[in-house]
Order: sequence, then C-alpha cells, then structure tokens
Amino acid sequence: AQTVTQSQPEMSVQEAETVTLSCTYDTSESDYYLFWYKQPPSRQMILVIRQEAYKQQNATENRFSVNFQKAAKSFSLKISDSQLGDAAMYFCAYRSAQGAQKLVFGQGTRLTINP
Amino acid sequence: EAGVVQSPRYKIIEKKQPVAFWCNPISGHNTLYWYLQNLGQGPELLIRYENEEAVDDSQLPKDRFSAERLKGVDSTLKIQPAELGDSAVYLCASSLGTGRGPDTQYFGPGTRLTVL
Repeated sequence: AQTVTQSQPEMSVQEAETVTLSCTYDTSESDYYLFWYKQPPSRQMILVIRQEAYKQQNATENRFSVNFQKAAKSFSLKISDSQLGDAAMYFCAYRSAQGAQKLVFGQGTRLTINP
Repeated sequence: EAGVVQSPRYKIIEKKQPVAFWCNPISGHNTLYWYLQNLGQGPELLIRYENEEAVDDSQLPKDRFSAERLKGVDSTLKIQPAELGDSAVYLCASSLGTGRGPDTQYFGPGTRLTVL
C-alpha cells in the first residue's frame, strides 16, 4: 500500500518570504499523481497544485511550485512571497494512475505566516 | 459553477443516536467520495461511488455506517448508532471519474460531528 509522510507538523515563515514544505511517499507504481491541498480553518480542502509522475517538469502555479524528485520519492512545495492568506494546513496526497482511485494523504503541515 | 455542497456544517448528538450527512457533488461529476478526517490528521477514504455503484467501501465500518447515492447524484452517509469515537469531520469530494488524467478531486466544506 502507498504511504505519504509529511515530517514537518508545523512551519512558520515571515510574510513575503519563501517557505518549503516537505513530502515523501512510498509506492511501487511508476505512474501516479501527486497533489498539494490547502485546508484553511473553514475546513474546505482547496487544490494548490498537482504533478503527473510521468512529467519531468516541475509544476508551477503562480507563487506555488513543486520540486518533484521521482527517484527519491520526494514532492516538496515551495511558496514564494508568502501572504497572510496562505496560513493553513497543507496536505500532500498521492493517487494511483489506475482508474479513479482514492487519495492517500499525509499527516499535514500547519503553516503560520508571521506579519 | 457551484462546488461540492454538504450539510449540515455542524452536528452535535448524544451517543447511540443516529445521524445523517448529505452531499451534492459538482454537476457532471460521476465519482463521489466520502472521507473521514480525525483531528490533526489527513482524510481517509470511507467509500467511493462511481455513479450509483459503491466500488470501494473496504474502509466503511458496515456495522454502524451506511451510505447511498440515489440516481448517481446526491449521496447520504448515515451512522447508527453513533459512538464517541465517531467525532470527526466528514468530507465529501467529487471528480469527473473519467479514469484518465489526474481526475482531480474537489472537496466540500465538510460536516463536523461531535458525539457527546
């Protein structure tokens, strides 16, 4: 079974600075998808960014980018120019490419933005 | 476009009482998921529907939990009777379910259940 590990329970960053959240995963599959979701206090999971395992190019969405290292099974999220609205729980998630499968989530990282 | 809708947002009940949660997925999404999120943890899948069919319910505690998705649209998750350990957030998500591509899941706001 696949597992996802987020080793940083909490992180903090100064507003306008850059922060990197770590995620590692374990799988024997070669084709899969990886996601970062944000969960603010309102509880609604919001997709931040996604990465297809077959793509070597790292995904980027505005201030959010990933460092995908397939061989190392690492998928970190970099947030540039941090804003107060970025404060939330961030979850890394894995999904197999075989049909509509469940998301396997990590334990989450709570990100605090210091003004 | 409307997102995934869930109700109620909060529910407080006494143990041994029944409770039901409702979910309306994004229009056109064939796959619907119910996840359980305990405090401080990531969500875990309870059940997945493809249209009306429950295709993965291996993590659903069937002695007290049940779910249905009539007409392949709305879904209801029920607990009867509720136990103290059922206190958690219940998240509903939906996706196109084409079986191709990342098939991104979109989540509702969740229902926070407190069992006293």
